Amino acid sequence: QSALTQPASVSGSPGQSITISCTGTSSDVGGYNYVSWYQQHPGKAPKLMIYDVSNRPSGVSNRFSGSKSGNTASLTISGLQAEDEADYYCYSYTSSSTLYVFGTGTKVTVL
Amino acid sequence: QVQLVESGGGVVQPGGSLRLSCAVSGFTFSRYDTHWVRQAPGKGLEWVTVISYDGSSKYYADSVKGRFAISRDDSKNTLYLQMNSLRDEDTAVYYCAKRGDGGSHRHIDHWGQGTLVTVSS
Repeated sequence: QSALTQPASVSGSPGQSITISCTGTSSDVGGYNYVSWYQQHPGKAPKLMIYDVSNRPSGVSNRFSGSKSGNTASLTISGLQAEDEADYYCYSYTSSSTLYVFGTGTKVTVL
Repeated sequence: QVQLVESGGGVVQPGGSLRLSCAVSGFTFSRYDTHWVRQAPGKGLEWVTVISYDGSSKYYADSVKGRFAISRDDSKNTLYLQMNSLRDEDTAVYYCAKRGDGGSHRHIDHWGQGTLVTVSS
């Protein structure tokens, strides 16, 4: 099972919106609405930001939103803030024997 | 509050073994699938393994299949990862993580702080 494909880096200015893509196959991202997104600051454990494609856990800012089209899921951060600078990972259930897979990760830089 | 605390990391020679533990509190451990996820230095997250709430099902990443074994002791509220035949590429911070509440449960909502495993001669 190969990792899901994400862009290595995405950047934006404060207040702008950015979108991070996560591309898989029909066996994972495209086959199920079980994509979640995690934010990780350096030296810290990951934090759940979105689950089941577009659901936001309580306590997560509504500036974060998720969507999916075909085999590609997306995380959008609107009104970009300095604190959003971090690494972001998508994660999906897969029908392969391994059951779960992470994306390659995207470093978000706030200019 | 939910807490997961890993222990057992350290330095081990290639080919050696190590057992990681994860003590949990703040939730009913016996009702939740739990995972191990690792992160090599400067690299991305890699899902390693999951055990079902009742211990009846276990799944592994291809990279560790046949070498690692996940287990749980609900009486001790503890998750384990037995790692054998360790390789240089197993060097990583290992996180234990709890299955998420709500929706499909196919996500992780709480993580430990991680324990570092270094495989080196």
